[in-house]
Amino acid sequence: GDSVTQMEGPVTLSEEAFLTINCTYTATGYPSLFWYVQYPGEGLQLLLKATKADDKGSNKGFEATYRKETTSFHLEKGSVQVSDSAVYFCALGRYNTDKLIFGTGTRLQVFP
Amino acid sequence: DAGVIQSPRHEVTEMGQEVTLRCKPISGHDYLFWYRQTMMRGLELLIYFNNNVPIDDSGMPEDRFSAKMPNASFSTLKIQPSEPRDSAVYFCASIPRLGAGVSEQFFGPGTRLTVL
Repeated sequence: GDSVTQMEGPVTLSEEAFLTINCTYTATGYPSLFWYVQYPGEGLQLLLKATKADDKGSNKGFEATYRKETTSFHLEKGSVQVSDSAVYFCALGRYNTDKLIFGTGTRLQVFP
Repeated sequence: DAGVIQSPRHEVTEMGQEVTLRCKPISGHDYLFWYRQTMMRGLELLIYFNNNVPIDDSGMPEDRFSAKMPNASFSTLKIQPSEPRDSAVYFCASIPRLGAGVSEQFFGPGTRLTVL
């Protein structure tokens, strides 16, 4: 069945450092891929998405490219801020289905 | 729009007591999901509804858990009797009617449940 694997956290960075959070998936066909973010004390919210191979999703300085050849959707940001400290979830979904499959989440801690 | 509303935000109860968590989805959304989040198990889908009808409850951990959606604007998740291992954050999420592409899920702020 479909599954999503994320790198273990926490990821600890200094402000303005480069961020990569790895995400790989197992699925047949062409799922859509998502990154959700959970700030402390809040629910998850959509950060970005990509619906087909080679698509790049971007939002708030974050980017992720849908790589079918490596079944990956790694999240990147060139310069993190303290306010980016949160838990990041990679997720997979299929066209016209109703469930998302979430990874285990990766906690990011950014220090000044 | 107020977004997905959950109540209470925090609940502390004693083992054996009944707990009811409530959710109001975004108006016009046809699907509603209940999730549980713990450090050990991450984010788990418990059950979801389409047009008030339960579609998949395979994630409900055991018979102590039940969920209902009596109308399009209200759902409850009940635990009876509660146990300490039920301590977690419970999220509700909703999505609009599926159209082109995979819909974004809109999450509520969650209910933090502590069972002593």
